[in-house]
Amino acid sequence: AQKVTQAQTEISVVEKEDVTLDCVYETRDTTYYLFWYKQPPSGELVFLIRRNSFDEQNEISGRYSWNFQKSTSSFNFTITASQVVDSAVYFCALSEAGYGNQFYFGTGTSLTVIP
Amino acid sequence: KAGVTQTPRYLIKTRGQQVTLSCSPISGHRSVSWYQQTPGQGLQFLFEYFSETQRNKGNFPGRFSGRQFSNSRSEMNVSTLELGDSALYLCASSRTGAYNEQFFGPGTRLTVL
Repeated sequence: AQKVTQAQTEISVVEKEDVTLDCVYETRDTTYYLFWYKQPPSGELVFLIRRNSFDEQNEISGRYSWNFQKSTSSFNFTITASQVVDSAVYFCALSEAGYGNQFYFGTGTSLTVIP
Repeated sequence: KAGVTQTPRYLIKTRGQQVTLSCSPISGHRSVSWYQQTPGQGLQFLFEYFSETQRNKGNFPGRFSGRQFSNSRSEMNVSTLELGDSALYLCASSRTGAYNEQFFGPGTRLTVL
């Protein structure tokens, strides 16, 4: 079974619109970690944020914000006032304590911001 | 601090050949993981090495193997290449522990003809 699901394959928004990328995960571990990565057209995956399973506090960093809800097993990512430079593929990932550094990635959401 | 480097960046091989990809992690990082990225399957975990030992392995055939050296540099080998092995192979390094983010290299684009 897929451990990380990103149901949105592609999203297009007009510049300055807000956009939320969904991520749903599945794990039996009580201790786990969630990550968001960005893959711009250049191809290199860039780390954005990490959350551990004991910290449901939502976070805002500039135009980015993350909503972690254990009750729904979701870790959603919102970009406020999107910009063309935000165009990229965004990946959600899960790692489980005790399994080293093995990441389970979602299939990614391709975001296109139209000027 | 230098990032993760991978060589070569591009590779073209023919079916049946073998290939070796190299990865140099960020200084101080002892864990190196390899991933295969394809349009159809997305990012799939191949294996992880820590202190020269394979600590985790994904669901790939035995044609895919790797190793890690004492300086944490890692190599990945694919033998008897198949057309379906065409992919972007990404290396990631991190400090040990599942809570640590992984830092990715630019990848090696392998094309099998």
